[in-house]
Amino acid sequence: EDQVTQSPEALRLQEGESSSLNCSYTVSGLRGLFWYRQDPGKGPEFLFTLYSAGEEKEKERLKATLTKKESFLHITAPKPEDSATYLCAVGDDKIIFGKGTRLHILP
Amino acid sequence: GAVVSQHPSRVICKSGTSVKIECRSLDFQATTMFWYRQFPKQSLMLMATSNEGSKATYEQGVEKDKFLINHASLTLSTLTVTSAHPEDSSFYICSARDQGDTQYFGPGTRLTVL
Repeated sequence: EDQVTQSPEALRLQEGESSSLNCSYTVSGLRGLFWYRQDPGKGPEFLFTLYSAGEEKEKERLKATLTKKESFLHITAPKPEDSATYLCAVGDDKIIFGKGTRLHILP
Repeated sequence: GAVVSQHPSRVICKSGTSVKIECRSLDFQATTMFWYRQFPKQSLMLMATSNEGSKATYEQGVEKDKFLINHASLTLSTLTVTSAHPEDSSFYICSARDQGDTQYFGPGTRLTVL
């Protein structure tokens, strides 16, 4: 059965305290791995697509990496505005979402 | 680029009425759109895949006669919740897939059925 597991479920960091979010997956068909950011009451905002092991992509304070079985979203020196739920999704024609990591950055 | 809109953003209706939600890709053509449902503090659950010019494909457990999907053009898909009941209250989100593999999401529609 296809599965996407994100950890931790929730994470509280001080402003400037770097950390990483994990997304592990077991799927039958992997066309891509996707990271999204979701703010309360809004639709997910696209961040990154990764296609192959070893690939890395960066955007501002975020960097996403991919191995054969997991992906990491590294956040460097976060700011309070980075507080959100970060969703990982993987799949082929359809994508399966993990439950997300609720990130809270304290000022 | 890659903007998806949804309308309305919020709707409150009485039990038994039908509600239509529109999803539009504003700056790209999408042969495939998706409809999701999200409960509080839960992740997105795929309801159906909508392909332009053909019938939607529904996920297991989703009633196709209750959630009518029409993908009339490469930029518009609609979801109609028929004879809505309080248990249909939820956050409905659509997405549109571009020429690659990435899905871009709309801002969501909060449905409350009284």
